Amino acid sequence: DAGITQSPRHKVTETGTPVTLRCHQTENHRYMYWYRQDPGHGLRLIHYSYGVKDTDKGEVSDGYSVSRSKTEDFLLTLESATSSQTSVYFCAISESTVAEQYFGPGTRLTVT
Amino acid sequence: GEDVEQSLFLSVREGDSSVINCTYTDSSSTYLYWYKQEPGAGLQLLTYIFSNMDMKQDQRLTVLLNKKDKHLSLRIADTQTGDSAIYFCAEILDTGRRALTFGSGTRLQVQP
Repeated sequence: DAGITQSPRHKVTETGTPVTLRCHQTENHRYMYWYRQDPGHGLRLIHYSYGVKDTDKGEVSDGYSVSRSKTEDFLLTLESATSSQTSVYFCAISESTVAEQYFGPGTRLTVT
Repeated sequence: GEDVEQSLFLSVREGDSSVINCTYTDSSSTYLYWYKQEPGAGLQLLTYIFSNMDMKQDQRLTVLLNKKDKHLSLRIADTQTGDSAIYFCAEILDTGRRALTFGSGTRLQVQP
């Protein structure tokens, strides 16, 4: 398995609080991605990174920000969590834009 | 626009073949992927096919691509109870978007 970890694995938080999810890789892959998974929607891209300090928005980026200060870490921040952000969040890594992506184990976030 | 569609559910008996279908709308897709997700787990890459190929076989898995109809299928031979999972097809484009577009997933149930 690709060396990808996510933390925390589970989190319950209240509406309006900030939340940061962490993705850590040991593969030295250039590309990193954050997806969310909701019933009936498959996985949808939130943000991605194509290098240190280089990030771009995906299709569902509203309410989320990201940062990548090191190759191995990609952080996803919910500045003010809402109930609509209750979801399972997956991080993925890839060597190139067309290479296969490898996924982390996911973080289950519940916003009450 | 981009859209990937899959049927929601498939039930087969152990030992039979399973065929999971997927349609996509963007003709500029370069790679098409099949991922497997077991309960509570992340996504595991099963196989992929490049858009200039018609078929790819990998042990019990056969991927067929019909570019004219924008139809992708995954055949699992001799289906086992351990194959019970959700299967996602996904596409990646050559237009600069650096992420996967997923279908909503097909839940495969294998009955003993």
